[in-house]
Amino acid sequence: DVVLTQSPLSLPVTLGQPASISCRSSQSVVHNNGNTYLNWFQQRPGQSPRRLIYQVSNRDSGVPDRFSGSGSGTDFTLTISRVEAEDAGVYYCMQGTHWPPVTFGQGTKVEIK
Amino acid sequence: QVQMVESGGGVVQPGGSLRLSCVVSGFSNSDMHWVRQAPGKGLEWVAFIRHDGSDKYYADSVKGRFSISRDNSKNTLYLQVNSLRAEDTAVYYCAKGGSDLDYWGQGTLVTVSS
Repeated sequence: DVVLTQSPLSLPVTLGQPASISCRSSQSVVHNNGNTYLNWFQQRPGQSPRRLIYQVSNRDSGVPDRFSGSGSGTDFTLTISRVEAEDAGVYYCMQGTHWPPVTFGQGTKVEIK
Repeated sequence: QVQMVESGGGVVQPGGSLRLSCVVSGFSNSDMHWVRQAPGKGLEWVAFIRHDGSDKYYADSVKGRFSISRDNSKNTLYLQVNSLRAEDTAVYYCAKGGSDLDYWGQGTLVTVSS
């Protein structure tokens, strides 16, 4: 199974400042078809997960452009350019390249200082 | 507008069974997953079914105890959960999509307790 390791697991951030979360996979998540099925999800307190980024760097509809995804192969990053209060929550990376099973990172809790 | 509404959760004794449902609208004939989240924990993939029911996959932790199915005429996804254990206590989400899980329902809580 592909293991995804996120860091940090807790991220206190100041409003208006940038924030970055790393996701490293135990093996390359480039699919044989050339796509990389590495996604990022946001889970606000008491809510279900919401996909923010798909295939490494594509923002979902309605996702603010302060969120961006980057990376390749085994190393990926979610960046929030300027953190807003509504960004508090837990962020998960997920790979859908080598499955079953679909696997998730442990989650990174973003809290506003 | 894509919507997915789960139901069927509840409190059940160890060894008991439940059938979870996920009614979808705004789309049809999509590959679907079940994903669960234990209280205060992360996300764990549970099961997958192809849009036409031709393929089904399960996490090792539930294989032989859980069964995924669907009725496309009713726009409904199911998860039959049997031989429940305390460690199956979680919110169960249905999620749309194959490799990308683009939309999720609000979840239904299953609590296994004596």
